[in-house]
Amino acid sequence: EAGVAQSPRYKIIEKRQSVAFWCNPISGHATLYWYQQILGQGPKLLIQFQNNGVVDDSQLPKDRFSAERLKGVDSTLKIQPAKLEDSAVYLCASSFFGGAGYEQYFGPGTRLTVT
Amino acid sequence: KQEVTQIPAALSVPEGENLVLNCSFTDSAIYNLQWFRQDPGKGLTSLLLIQSSQREQTSGRLNASLDKSSGRSTLYIAASQPGDSATYLCAGTGPSGTYKYIFGTGTRLKVLA
Repeated sequence: EAGVAQSPRYKIIEKRQSVAFWCNPISGHATLYWYQQILGQGPKLLIQFQNNGVVDDSQLPKDRFSAERLKGVDSTLKIQPAKLEDSAVYLCASSFFGGAGYEQYFGPGTRLTVT
Repeated sequence: KQEVTQIPAALSVPEGENLVLNCSFTDSAIYNLQWFRQDPGKGLTSLLLIQSSQREQTSGRLNASLDKSSGRSTLYIAASQPGDSATYLCAGTGPSGTYKYIFGTGTRLKVLA
């Protein structure tokens, strides 16, 4: 079974520029998560989708971050404009369902450096 | 607010040692607990998932347990190997009533040959 795919793997941009990350979850997984992992910290949930609806985006900085999951499969996370503090690894994960008892599977992540 | 603490933050042991990594939650109402491994520059690999009705899980040389009364989990690694060197993260659901995962900051393990 193919795992969670993410692209690009690395991205370097200047502050105030925009950037987009793409995620393709495991086939059949209804729930998709985007996490931000700052160096030395554990991942922090930014947004959770159930199919193409948002379940939780309470920690998403909505003034600059946006995410969508059209057709309930692939997802895109965008940052516009980027700030220095956005430098982090952005991890995408998926699970069969979003309730208790369902294991989350993670992609390799996108390492973003904002200069 | 659910917070997760992992102790120790870093650990260096000789090959062959048995070791225990600890994870504690401020809110003991945990539905799921999952242990992950993260290699440098890589994503997270799931090691063990303890579901709400379970108290422990085992996979090979790994054993994870969850004490819900105290909000603590331990990951036991038997006969450690250099290939076990990585950062180990625990994540649990919380705060109460939600299924959102809250992660600890991890334990960086180095197993010396």
